[in-house]
Amino acid sequence: KQEVTQIPAALSVPEGENLVLNCSFTDSAIYNLQWFRQDPGKGLTSLLLIQSSQREQTSGRLNASLDKSSGRSTLYIAASQPGDSATYLCAVKVGNDMRFGAGTRLTVKP
Amino acid sequence: GAGVSQSPSNKVTEKGKDVELRCDPISGHTALYWYRQSLGQGLEFLIYFQGNSAPDKSGLPSDRFSAERTGGSVSTLTIQRTQQEDSAVYLCASSFLAGAREQFFGPGTRLTVL
Repeated sequence: KQEVTQIPAALSVPEGENLVLNCSFTDSAIYNLQWFRQDPGKGLTSLLLIQSSQREQTSGRLNASLDKSSGRSTLYIAASQPGDSATYLCAVKVGNDMRFGAGTRLTVKP
Repeated sequence: GAGVSQSPSNKVTEKGKDVELRCDPISGHTALYWYRQSLGQGLEFLIYFQGNSAPDKSGLPSDRFSAERTGGSVSTLTIQRTQQEDSAVYLCASSFLAGAREQFFGPGTRLTVL
């Protein structure tokens, strides 16, 4: 059964720092990996989608990498801002199912 | 509409009552998913619809849960004889086709069973 783990569970950084969020999964047979942002009491906002054949995707200050063979993905956030504070979730698509990690709660202090 | 919409945004019900949750996917999206986000449980898949194919119900936790998708668009998730452990945020997502396509999520319905 596919298990998705995110480390750390929570992270607090000062504004301006670059940071890395980690995601690992146990089964490399995935269609894709998607990173989401969730603000308190809100739904999920898609940040980046990496297909299984891709190694990375970039959007603005965000860069996500995928190493399927080792079952790892990282989300790199450059020059963090207080508005980046949210919970970040990674999820892998397996068949019709999407398996989510428990998330990393990020706080960026002004 | 521009995004996935869900209604109601909040629902409080008494134990034993039935509830219906609604999802309007993005226009033209053929795949629709329901997920549940419980405190301490994270996000879990419930059910998947793709076009006119039979839905994948493998994630439904019990036979009290059912879902329909009428006309390939709007979907309704029904929970019968609600229990306190059903309290969660129910999220709907849609994608254009299925497989490796990006999923777009609605704001969710927060269900509280007293």
